[in-house]
Amino acid sequence: DAMVIQNPRYQVTQFGKPVTLSCSQTLNHNVMYWYQQKSSQAPKLLFHYYDKDFNNEADTPDNFQSRRPNTSFCFLDIRSPGLGDAAMYLCATSIIRGGSGQPQHFGDGTRLSIL
Amino acid sequence: GNSVTQMEGPVTLSEEAFLTINCTYTATGYPSLFWYVQYPGEGLQLLLKATKADDKGSNKGFEATYRKETTSFHLEKGSVQVSDSAVYFCALSGDDMRFGAGTRLTVKP
Repeated sequence: DAMVIQNPRYQVTQFGKPVTLSCSQTLNHNVMYWYQQKSSQAPKLLFHYYDKDFNNEADTPDNFQSRRPNTSFCFLDIRSPGLGDAAMYLCATSIIRGGSGQPQHFGDGTRLSIL
Repeated sequence: GNSVTQMEGPVTLSEEAFLTINCTYTATGYPSLFWYVQYPGEGLQLLLKATKADDKGSNKGFEATYRKETTSFHLEKGSVQVSDSAVYFCALSGDDMRFGAGTRLTVKP
């Protein structure tokens, strides 16, 4: 089945130690998103890629960066994780951005813990 | 800007009870509306959607009707099961997906 896969499911890192979360998709969708979700709150959009075009949300901290080396893969890099960055990180994809009734397809998330 | 207001939880029901989770929206233009469900420890799964006024989305016994006149997209199910326990998110799609705050549903046997 075509899907969005996130690895690892659980990640533990130390305060200030860089960490990378990965996402891959077999849907061949143009758009890939990264969300941060805390305590079953609404997902908060960090940034998205439309093909190779990177779009950062205005309130996303500089500590968070992303790479999309090809259509299938997208990475979330947290350069110096703080305790406040402990959360579930969700990757999602869509055929196009916004409108036209196209849903976003989510992976199962990576739960990040900071020691 | 676009926004979604969702009924606050948590909601606790007995098995086979009727479920309604209210969702209203503010939007310019004609957004598409969605309900997503999130089971513990998992990502969001699309439950149903509607793309225009008076459309009814349905899936797994859940239904929601896109009401433009009341700007609402309430989620309903006639008889909930323990397995329906999850967090439910209403969302609308304009340029970006806007999510409601989520409603936690617990169904007890």
